[in-house]
Amino acid sequence: LAKTTQPISMDSYEGQEVNITCSHNNIATNDYITWYQQFPSQGPRFIIQGYKTKVTNEVASLFIPADRKSSTLSLPRVSLSDTAVYYCLVGPRWFNAGNMLTFGGGTRLMVKP
Amino acid sequence: DAGVTQSPTHLIKTRGQHVTLRCSPISGHKSVSWYQQVLGQGPQFIFQYYEKEERGRGNFPDRFSARQFPNYSSELNVNALLLGDSALYLCASRRGLAGTYEQYFGPGTRLTVT
Repeated sequence: LAKTTQPISMDSYEGQEVNITCSHNNIATNDYITWYQQFPSQGPRFIIQGYKTKVTNEVASLFIPADRKSSTLSLPRVSLSDTAVYYCLVGPRWFNAGNMLTFGGGTRLMVKP
Repeated sequence: DAGVTQSPTHLIKTRGQHVTLRCSPISGHKSVSWYQQVLGQGPQFIFQYYEKEERGRGNFPDRFSARQFPNYSSELNVNALLLGDSALYLCASRRGLAGTYEQYFGPGTRLTVT
């Protein structure tokens, strides 16, 4: 699985757009980029997954440039409840036996009033 | 629909003791994975079980074991507890053995070893 690098922490204010960038220089051709969100004392929650260009859902957008060596998770108009740790994962879209998710340290987002 | 459930929520044990943690997957999900999350770090994979068989194992000592029951619920057992076993233990379920990155995590069991 490709190694990922994310900022350790970020601060933002309510109503702002937050962009969290993840570097994955060794991403393989078949790898997808997935983001999870984790609130304190809860399990991680799948947010979004993408392969190239842009993916958008009701929670976030994921921007992936043509070289796919990085990706950016964009959270529009954050609120206090978006304070969480965000994990970027890179690996094949389909898992076989072993089904192992590899989490790095994640980015701690603190949203202030 | 009920999500992944885990019990107990919190647990305090003494070094050398044994602990059993329980997980019930989402209805219809046959795969259960266990993760350990030490404070300040991301979750680390321990086991995956599918159809009552171990299908994957992370880099954890033999003190850690697990099993899956016919109803797809699962138990994680840890023997001879060490202080370093203090962590949040997460269970995740998915429908099949293979699939996308989308797994569903439970709220976890907070284990404190004193």
